[in-house]
Amino acid sequence: QVQLQQWGAGLLKPSETLSLTCAVYGGSFSGYCWNWIRQPPGKGLEWIGEINHSGSTNYNPSLKSRVTISVDTSKSQFSLELSSVTAADTAVYYCARRPSTSWSPDPFAMGVWGQGTTVTVSS
Amino acid sequence: QSALTQPASVSGSPGQSITISCTGTSSDAGSYNLVSWYQQHPGKAPKLIIYEGSKRPSGVSNRFSASKSGNTASLTISGLQAEDEADYYCCSYATSRTWVFGGGTKLTVL
Repeated sequence: QVQLQQWGAGLLKPSETLSLTCAVYGGSFSGYCWNWIRQPPGKGLEWIGEINHSGSTNYNPSLKSRVTISVDTSKSQFSLELSSVTAADTAVYYCARRPSTSWSPDPFAMGVWGQGTTVTVSS
Repeated sequence: QSALTQPASVSGSPGQSITISCTGTSSDAGSYNLVSWYQQHPGKAPKLIIYEGSKRPSGVSNRFSASKSGNTASLTISGLQAEDEADYYCCSYATSRTWVFGGGTKLTVL
């Protein structure tokens, strides 16, 4: 049973860089895209971006200038960095897995999620 | 990239059926059969309940069904139960290899 375990700093000051990591346990790292999604307090989900095992990335255009997603296949981990944070970046951040292709035996959607990490930006 | 449009809230009584709509554009839901739906209980991570428009993952109740017409996808929950009370989000693949979520719908079971 694949599990995603995420961690990172929970309190940041404006202009700092958010950094989160998500580790994959109990499943293959290749053949999937690894996503970051966030949810501001009381609001909806927002897709941030994704990376595959080869390091190819796709980002939300509204965040692209500040986002970097990277992968460490040797550790089955992927990471999110979001620069120049403001209070508007306060949210619960989730990592999630989706198959790279629709012919995967797994549902072609974000079927496995991490537990979420609360990040607060405050001076 | 604008969020897909969902009603803010819907409600129904136990045993009834409800439908949640999710309206996108020709750049996302209207062009791809890759709409998924997620259920989120308070303080929990979202759970996938529908993928590729109408498919249910293993273990998801057949009380959940979904369809799409044009730019609008719909999730129907039949035989409402108290445990169905949650927030529901649609999500679609969009152009330029991105994904977009809906604003979410709060389901209240009366």
